[in-house]
Amino acid sequence: GEDVEQSLFLSVREGDSSVINCTYTDSSSTYLYWYKQEPGAGLQLLTYIFSNMDMKQDQRLTVLLNKKDKHLSLRIADTQTGDSAIYFCASGGYNKLIFGAGTRLAVHP
Amino acid sequence: DGGITQSPKYLFRKEGQNVTLSCEQNLNHDAMYWYRQDPGQGLRLIYYSQIVNDFQKGDIAEGYSVSREKKESFPLTVTSAQKNPTAFYLCASSIARPGEETQYFGPGTRLLVL
Repeated sequence: GEDVEQSLFLSVREGDSSVINCTYTDSSSTYLYWYKQEPGAGLQLLTYIFSNMDMKQDQRLTVLLNKKDKHLSLRIADTQTGDSAIYFCASGGYNKLIFGAGTRLAVHP
Repeated sequence: DGGITQSPKYLFRKEGQNVTLSCEQNLNHDAMYWYRQDPGQGLRLIYYSQIVNDFQKGDIAEGYSVSREKKESFPLTVTSAQKNPTAFYLCASSIARPGEETQYFGPGTRLLVL
């Protein structure tokens, strides 16, 4: 079946950039998503990119998509302690999202 | 404020008991979804509904049941047939049109077995 893979853990220093990577197998995905989950909470939509785009920037967030390699990344500039959370990559289309296991981002002083 | 609400925040189930998790949305979305989240894993789809009075099984529907009698509501029942129900349950909704598939999530319900 379709799959999404992410590294499980990333540690960065406050003020540095964070880059979270994701690979997916579903070549028919219309959109690719990044969600953020804080402890004990639901998933918050951070951003998404349409499959025919290479890059999308939204304030401190930059999404890069390499459709040939089925690789998606999320860059967070000037990472803050409030960015500490689990970040989920998801691929999919109509009525079906496949989620990765999530990358836990730890921000330390 | 528009959004998705789930209740209760915590739910305790005894052996052999059925429990029902509530999900309500006022976003006027046609599609609603239930996911299960286990520690260290991604979300797995239990059931989804694209329209009132219709729903489909997801990847892990065994031991669960749903109903969709109203557009705003999509309750999930965890039956006694679900042998390992302890998990975090997330409800989501979306506009059910191709090209408008973004799913928005509620705050979740944590189910624990006594």
